Amino acid sequence: SQTIHQWPATLVQPVGSPLSLECTVEGTSNPNLYWYRQAAGRGLQLLFYSVGIGQISSEVPQNLSASRPQDRQFILSSKKLLLSDSGFYLCARRSGHPSDTQYFGPGTRLTVL
Amino acid sequence: AQKVTQAQTEISVVEKEDVTLDCVYETRDTTYYLFWYKQPPSGELVFLIRRNSFDEQNEISGRYSWNFQKSTSSFNFTITASQVVDSAVYFCALSEGYSGGYQKVTFGTGTKLQVIP
Repeated sequence: SQTIHQWPATLVQPVGSPLSLECTVEGTSNPNLYWYRQAAGRGLQLLFYSVGIGQISSEVPQNLSASRPQDRQFILSSKKLLLSDSGFYLCARRSGHPSDTQYFGPGTRLTVL
Repeated sequence: AQKVTQAQTEISVVEKEDVTLDCVYETRDTTYYLFWYKQPPSGELVFLIRRNSFDEQNEISGRYSWNFQKSTSSFNFTITASQVVDSAVYFCALSEGYSGGYQKVTFGTGTKLQVIP
C-alpha cells in the first residue's frame, strides 16, 4: 500500500527561526507530490508541487521554499518563520491515471510564537 | 477558473438524523473530477469519493450517498442516520481533467458537521 509520512507531527517555533518539514512516501515511485497549508478554520491553500526529483513549482510567493532531494521525499523549508506561517501543513501524493486522486498524509501542526 | 462553494459553514444534527452537505462548483472544462474528503479532529484528510464529469450516476456507500447533478453544478453529500463518528469537517473539491503533469485541485472552504449524541 502507498503510505505518506510527515514529520514532525507538531512543532512550536519562535518567529525568525528556520523550519524544515519532511514528507516521505512509501509504496510508489516517482509520485507527484504537493504541499498544502490550512490556516485555522480555513480551506486548503496549495503551496508547492513536484512532479519529480529537483522539480518544484510554487503556487504562492512567500517566505517558504520546497525541495525534492529524493524520489519519495518532499521537504518544506523556511529560513525565517513569520507569525502568519502558523497552520496545518499537509503533504499529498497524486495517484496515477485513471484514479487521479490526491491522498494526504497525517499533517504537521505548526505554531509560530 | 475553477471554484467550489460550500455555503454551509457549520451544521449540527442530533444522532440518527439525516444530513446533506451542499457543494456547488464552477468550471469551464467539460472533463473534470469531483471529490469529497473528510477531516476528523485528528486533521488528516480522508478521501471519500471521486466522480468524473461523464458519470452522473448517484452513488451509495453504506450510510453515505452522493448526488451529482451537472444541470445545477452540484455534488451533494448525504449521511443517513448520522453517528457521532461522522463529526468532522467535510471538503468538496474539483480538479480538471488529467493533464499528465500538475493536477490543480480546488477545495471548498469546508462544512463542519457536529453530530450530537
